[in-house]
Amino acid sequence: DVKVTQSSRYLVKRTGEKVFLECVQDMDHENMFWYRQDPGLGLRLIYFSYDVKMKEKGDIPEGYSVSREKKERFSLILESASTNQTSMYLCASSSGGVPRYGYTFGSGTRLTVV
Amino acid sequence: DAKTTQPNSMESNEEEPVHLPCNHSTISGTDYIHWYRQLPSQGPEYVIHGLTSNVNNRMASLAIAEDRKSSTLILHRATLRDAAVYYCIPGGSEKLVFGKGTKLTVNP
Repeated sequence: DVKVTQSSRYLVKRTGEKVFLECVQDMDHENMFWYRQDPGLGLRLIYFSYDVKMKEKGDIPEGYSVSREKKERFSLILESASTNQTSMYLCASSSGGVPRYGYTFGSGTRLTVV
Repeated sequence: DAKTTQPNSMESNEEEPVHLPCNHSTISGTDYIHWYRQLPSQGPEYVIHGLTSNVNNRMASLAIAEDRKSSTLILHRATLRDAAVYYCIPGGSEKLVFGKGTKLTVNP
């Protein structure tokens, strides 16, 4: 089975801290994605990447950056965490084109910024 | 991105079939129709996708209208484990944009 592993299930950080959310996939997928999910707003795409060192802005990139130095790892960075970034963060990966078996999502990281 | 309309919620009884509708009248000719579901406290999981023809897999069936402006996800025998939010997502090979989905409740 394809696995997408997010480094932390729960995380509590202070306002102003730099926060790294890590995501690793083990199926050699080209594409990786970061979403956040909030009650009433659903899943919103933050950033995505089609290849190593490539990144594209999603619908809500403000306050975030990403890094993809290796194909299997896609990191989401909160440069200076704020309370409005308290959310569930979900990472996903997929093969190129229209993936035969769809996207595979991780279990999520619930981030609380205090 | 194509706009989708799904019921906010639906209810079913265990072991009965469930038909989850989705309207995507602005879908482009090259967009696939993807369905995902999200169980409580988990990330979304892929269910099925199709372009024009009806599709079956071990989880569900996807019936696509001839004009492609709507589709229906069919769960042939609902189980308690199928209680989830179901998302219908028109899209191509790029990013998926999730809407609000349909919350399916399965009664024992």
